[in-house]
Amino acid sequence: DTAVSQTPKYLVTQMGNDKSIKCEQNLGHDTMYWYKQDSKKFLKIMFSYNNKELIINETVPNRFSPKSPDKAHLNLHINSLELGDSAVYFCASSLGTSGLRTHNEQFFGPGTRLTVL
Amino acid sequence: GESVGLHLPTLSVQEGDNSIINCAYSNSASDYFIWYKQESGKGPQFIIDIRSNMDKRQGQRVTVLLNKTVKHLSLQIAATQPGDSAVYFCAEKNRGSTLGRLYFGRGTQLTVWP
Repeated sequence: DTAVSQTPKYLVTQMGNDKSIKCEQNLGHDTMYWYKQDSKKFLKIMFSYNNKELIINETVPNRFSPKSPDKAHLNLHINSLELGDSAVYFCASSLGTSGLRTHNEQFFGPGTRLTVL
Repeated sequence: GESVGLHLPTLSVQEGDNSIINCAYSNSASDYFIWYKQESGKGPQFIIDIRSNMDKRQGQRVTVLLNKTVKHLSLQIAATQPGDSAVYFCAEKNRGSTLGRLYFGRGTQLTVWP
């Protein structure tokens, strides 16, 4: 019954490593997002895909590469991890991106807490 | 640039009291606003939304008020319960944006004590 799921929930790794976080939604939504939440709880969008196409790419280091194999999945790969990458990463999805209210509501996953040592 | 901020980073209320969480925004082009609740260890969860052509919207125990003149948004929770303890975020979307981009405020930690 999980709407938006992420794996893993916790990820502890060494600096310089490469890691991936996976996200899946079973809501039939067209749009998916990745957010980063820092230690002060600030939520900032990183990427968004609509029907497997990248539509939002905020100022994020190119060590971060999202991939959407289909519209139900949006994975995040991070190369050469740095200490500053430690944060909670949230995946979210929405029905669409139009101005309709039903399209704007974003459903969030449980988050992946990444700790870089 | 746009900014969505909160007046108070923390709010403590007694169970049964009403809570008011405030949010200021600076972009007059914002036409849609959402309040999210984030419990510890979980992702943000939708509470209530409001369009810029409205100034008030009510849900179950929650009311959102929008004052476009001063670019201010508030979330009122009636008869606050311990289960309401969480971080509350306001988020805004810009008029005409078809990208679904939401700008989130800093969050307010609401603590409800018995």
